[in-house]
Amino acid sequence: QKEVEQDPGPLSVPEGAIVSLNCTYSNSAFQYFMWYRQYSRKGPELLMYTYSSGNKEDGRFTAQVDKSSKYISLFIRDSQPSDSATYLCAMWRNQFYFGTGTSLTVIP
Amino acid sequence: DTGVSQNPRHKITKRGQNVTFRCDPISEHNRLYWYRQTLGQGPEFLTYFQNEAQLEKSRLLSDRFSAERPKGSFSTLEIQRTEQGDSAMYLCASSLATSGGDTQYFGPGTRLTVL
Repeated sequence: QKEVEQDPGPLSVPEGAIVSLNCTYSNSAFQYFMWYRQYSRKGPELLMYTYSSGNKEDGRFTAQVDKSSKYISLFIRDSQPSDSATYLCAMWRNQFYFGTGTSLTVIP
Repeated sequence: DTGVSQNPRHKITKRGQNVTFRCDPISEHNRLYWYRQTLGQGPEFLTYFQNEAQLEKSRLLSDRFSAERPKGSFSTLEIQRTEQGDSAMYLCASSLATSGGDTQYFGPGTRLTVL
């Protein structure tokens, strides 16, 4: 079993939709949770960083962590075509563990 | 630009040749990570440094791979006797590790093609 599981998609939504991206994990020792956005042929860009359970909001983005269920989510409100990218979840415990990424396309 | 930089951005080589990549981290960052990423996959951890010390190395990393960070600033990743399976994007990331956790910032990557 992988440390971090993420549905690779692809996910396609109309502009303005709310997008929900999710990851599950197996190691209950993970404490720091991150979401990265990666455009084609570019390095990942840090979007959100949260510690332990709870919600964190930054503009149109909300990161949610549920440690009891070992489940994290990223919500994107009012999605834009420029949000089209691959979204990677990552967790840290002595080293970083990444999901495989979910490919998102927002259709104008 | 004060972000993480990597050189070269692209490298095409023939099987059996050696290649070396360079990473320049964000200047105040004490940790430096190397990852490999193939199409449709997330970054796969290779190794990381805290200052000049190499603290961890993936079991997946064969003896053909070596990394250095001689002065605790820039780092190099060398692949000897390249194989076609080494074709991938090689990503470097840096972070300022504190007792409160670790958040890393990635460079643009070096795309390696082994013919």
